[in-house]
Amino acid sequence: EVQLVESGGGLVQPGGSLRLSCVASGFKLISFEMNWLRQAPGKGLEWVSYSSGFGSPIYYAESLKGRFTVSRDNAKNSLFLQMNTLRVDDTAIYYCARGDRYSGFDVWGQGVVVTVSP
Amino acid sequence: SYVLTQPPSVSVAPGETASITCGGNNLASKSVHWYQQKPGQGPVLAVYADSDRPSGIPERFSGSNSENTATLTISSIEAGDEADYYCQVWDSPSDHWVFGGGTKLTVL
Repeated sequence: EVQLVESGGGLVQPGGSLRLSCVASGFKLISFEMNWLRQAPGKGLEWVSYSSGFGSPIYYAESLKGRFTVSRDNAKNSLFLQMNTLRVDDTAIYYCARGDRYSGFDVWGQGVVVTVSP
Repeated sequence: SYVLTQPPSVSVAPGETASITCGGNNLASKSVHWYQQKPGQGPVLAVYADSDRPSGIPERFSGSNSENTATLTISSIEAGDEADYYCQVWDSPSDHWVFGGGTKLTVL
């Protein structure tokens, strides 16, 4: 079964860091473009970052550049999101999703909750 | 940056047809994808590449894209179609994914 499973969320204080993981099963990560997205409570979907199959190029939403870093370990079929200097407004459900500009995001993880609070 | 505009809400009676629009400059030059998100659940791809349906999505869901407006059409509306719907495109000049603000579909 094709599946994405995120982990690593939790409660962190402002200024702290978290590293999210997204493990793929049922397909080879290296063959697909991958994305991180987030959804703040009661808000819409916000794209966070893009990673091509081989890990480059990588793109970020303008508001997150410099604080968030995406990486992947294709040997472990895993995608990561390192989040630094977290702010209260980074509180959201974070999703990883597989897809590209032609087919959209056809596989989504279940989402992981990140709460940034004093 | 590229902007996609959706109506905040659409209401329709059961059995009727719902049309959800997504506006953007020269949108017809881009490939538009649509997602359905039911309360408490993650998004699901409903239509991709303007008008194609993933496997498992009912034929009641269809899409079109012309000039500056893309439309998601859901026919024979059912109570289970009540959800938030988002349009999405890849903006090549900025190398960014862009989402519309979402439309809440209410089944009366």
